[in-house]
Amino acid sequence: DIQMTQSPSSLSASVGDRVTITCRASQSISSYLNWYQQKPGKAPNLLIYAASSLQSGVPSRFSGSGSGTDFTLSISSLQPEDFATYYCQQSHSTPITFGQGTRLEIK
Amino acid sequence: QVQLQESGPGLVKPSQTLSLTCTVSGGSISSGGYYWSWIRQHPGKGLEWIGYIYYSGSTYYNPSLKSRVTLSVDTSKNQFSLKLSSVTAADTAVYYCAPYGDPSNWFDPWGQGTLVTVSS
Repeated sequence: DIQMTQSPSSLSASVGDRVTITCRASQSISSYLNWYQQKPGKAPNLLIYAASSLQSGVPSRFSGSGSGTDFTLSISSLQPEDFATYYCQQSHSTPITFGQGTRLEIK
Repeated sequence: QVQLQESGPGLVKPSQTLSLTCTVSGGSISSGGYYWSWIRQHPGKGLEWIGYIYYSGSTYYNPSLKSRVTLSVDTSKNQFSLKLSSVTAADTAVYYCAPYGDPSNWFDPWGQGTLVTVSS
């Protein structure tokens, strides 16, 4: 199985900050990496697919980069609605696996 | 856009079989291009892929659950289903269904999820 490790596990930031979340795969997954946002009590929502493509309807302050084993999700200027938990997911091979999540909290 | 809705008992007794159904609207399961998937999330924890099924009936299961999981599809009802046997408290989770594109390879959109509690 491909292990996905996110860092940090939690992060405190303020509105307007720029934040970066990292996801590392245990082996190369090319660009087969997706990012999701999950708010409490809600299902995850696709933000970024194929490492760097912004899903339709997602604000442009979100961006993704990386390939191989190291990936990042960046939010350029945090908005109040961005405080949530973020997950990466590899689609290189089955079993499909997710990172453990990064909880983004208001400072 | 396609929408999904999970349904099934919210409480299952230990050793019994958990059964859930996902009803798809706004699109046809038979149109192809998607693997119809189940994902679960233990309370306060991360996401675990359970498996997926193609409209033809081809299935792919997570090896960690493979011995207990059965997925099926009913194209006439535009539904697909999950059965998880011999459940324990460790199977208490929110269960989500979602399409996984081929070759788009991501989960979008997700159903709202349904909490299943395993308890006597």
